[in-house]
Amino acid sequence: QSVLTQPPSVSGAPGQRVTISCSGSSSNIGAGYDVHWYQQLPGTAPKLLIYDNSNRPSGVPDRFSGSKSGTSASLAISGLQAEDEADYYCQSYDSSLNGWVFGGGTKLTVL
Amino acid sequence: EVQLLESGGALIQPGGSLRLSCAASGFTFSGYAMSWVRQAPGKGLEWVSVISGSGSTTYYADSVKGRFTISRDNSKNTLYLQMNSLRADDTAVYYCAKAPYSRPNPGNWFDPWGQGTLVTVSS
Repeated sequence: QSVLTQPPSVSGAPGQRVTISCSGSSSNIGAGYDVHWYQQLPGTAPKLLIYDNSNRPSGVPDRFSGSKSGTSASLAISGLQAEDEADYYCQSYDSSLNGWVFGGGTKLTVL
Repeated sequence: EVQLLESGGALIQPGGSLRLSCAASGFTFSGYAMSWVRQAPGKGLEWVSVISGSGSTTYYADSVKGRFTISRDNSKNTLYLQMNSLRADDTAVYYCAKAPYSRPNPGNWFDPWGQGTLVTVSS
């Protein structure tokens, strides 16, 4: 069981908007630690998608956006494209574990 | 361009030892903390360890503490992970990843990542 909870799967049709939630607790997201998001395409290494809750690295389309509130965070993907089909992971820091933690991952299927 | 290239993965028996390497290029290696993250087959990501840019500060996940040792050789731009007393549940692809600061920081994210190297622990 991951410290950060994500839905195992989400799906949407091309062009639609989907959100992926990341639920934490008072020792991680709720403690004020930033949340980061990664995209892992099949058979490849994870790639940074969002850092510090809502910032996009250079080269990441503005279809991807992140937010954080309380003990949770969300990743939104608008204008879904077939190439967005991948696993998505949230990541933060946990003060009880004294380490960096990931969500269990969410598989996005583009219908 | 920042590049990270892991090596050293292998099939190893339970109780054995293995050392992974991560060759870095495209940035001032000594100026950044580096981390290892692993992914068991078909599973999610698990942070393993982090080391400061100078090598003086290290942190480990509880699951590997006392068995794994992270180190770096800044003269060779190379990160290492010495893994001892390996267990079946250490089987995973091991990724090295660059942190944004010279010191490990709770706000750390990991970018970029190497392509990974597979460690299989089995008799």
